[in-house]
Amino acid sequence: IALTQSPATLSLSPGERATLSCRASESLRTSLAWYQQKPGQAPRLLIYDASNRATGIPARFSGSGSGTDFTLIISSLEPEDSAVYYCQQRSISVTFGQGTRLEIK
Amino acid sequence: EVLLVQSGAEVKKPGESLKISCEASGYTLTNYWIAWVRQMPGKGLEWMGIIYPGGSNIIYNPSFQGHVTFSADKSINTAYLQWASLTASDTAMYYCAKTIAASGYSWLDSWGPGTLVTVSS
Repeated sequence: IALTQSPATLSLSPGERATLSCRASESLRTSLAWYQQKPGQAPRLLIYDASNRATGIPARFSGSGSGTDFTLIISSLEPEDSAVYYCQQRSISVTFGQGTRLEIK
Repeated sequence: EVLLVQSGAEVKKPGESLKISCEASGYTLTNYWIAWVRQMPGKGLEWMGIIYPGGSNIIYNPSFQGHVTFSADKSINTAYLQWASLTASDTAMYYCAKTIAASGYSWLDSWGPGTLVTVSS
């Protein structure tokens, strides 16, 4: 299953809302997760099963979607949200999307 | 606290062998799967496969099968990733990560810091 993330790069200001998209080549139901990777760090699980926040993840991160279209929303950006965000499916084997780079101006 | 500690950076020549490690603490290694994830320089994440240390079940991504080997020693809570013969295209950061549940194809809720492998003549 291929995952396509858009946009490739997003540049927003603190306090703004970020909307990241992940589209699957076939239906995943809700078998999708989102990860955040900051420079020089390992990825961190943000959202699993499309909409469940992982332990310790701030409420400004939310996930939605089912089937083939999924969205990660960061409701009010903070400077530390600058990172690359990846989606991952586990419906058939495991694959990651190519990532969206979020820059905070 | 769950912690995955990976072995240090390696510099190898093409054709050499290598085994890197991932030591788990704060949970029972045999209750969850360990995944290996590759990240080539400046690129995205690639799922290499998973190992279940509790039963030595292993599933490889077909893209990596035959080139790498997963293993585990549950007596010392450690998983391993090894190569018999490295090539320059193996240059990458390698992460181990723990699955969130007992199923193999699962989310990865704890990650090691990564082991940087550089293969150069």
